[in-house]
Amino acid sequence: AQTVTQSQPEMSVQEAETVTLSCTYDTSESDYYLFWYKQPPSRQMILVIRQEAYKQQNATENRFSVNFQKAAKSFSLKISDSQLGDAAMYFCAYRLGGSEKLVFGKGTKLTVNP
Amino acid sequence: DSGVTQTPKHLITATGQRVTLRCSPRSGDLSVYWYQQSLDQGLQFLIQYYNGEERAKGNILERFSAQQFPDLHSELNLSSLELGDSALYFCASTQQGTGRDTQYFGPGTRLTVL
Repeated sequence: AQTVTQSQPEMSVQEAETVTLSCTYDTSESDYYLFWYKQPPSRQMILVIRQEAYKQQNATENRFSVNFQKAAKSFSLKISDSQLGDAAMYFCAYRLGGSEKLVFGKGTKLTVNP
Repeated sequence: DSGVTQTPKHLITATGQRVTLRCSPRSGDLSVYWYQQSLDQGLQFLIQYYNGEERAKGNILERFSAQQFPDLHSELNLSSLELGDSALYFCASTQQGTGRDTQYFGPGTRLTVL
């Protein structure tokens, strides 16, 4: 079965500090896409960052970057200069190239302390 | 704002009833996906439509059905509701519905079954 594991149910970080959220996935396919989604208290699912498995370069979006280790099937999210607005549930997900569905992890709840 | 709209925002109903959730995809998107988010099951893919045709099915119960109309909006019909159907239901859309597309989520409909 295809699975996504987020081993940290909860994390906390001080404002302006850096935090890394972990994610591992399990697939034998070579064509897939990885995503981090953020779900704030409003419950909206917001795309944070996306990584194509065929790209070796790690994706970056402003303060958000990933560490993609394909051989280890690891896809961690680093948030730099954390802000109060970053507090949310963060979901790691992947999607096979020929598939329609996203497979999500259970999520990590991030708290940002002022 | 992702450009995906969902109505209603909240729905409270009784067991045994039937409800319809509505989704309008982003302008230009042809594919619509439905997901269910519950406390015990997490985020699960239900069904996908592409340009009016069903393309993929996930963990969708037989009591649930969906369709996509010529104007590309989609409806998810839930019948014979049970307490366990209480969840947040998300709609997402993509342009082509292929694996490389990024799914953009609507704000969700919170269903409470009493």
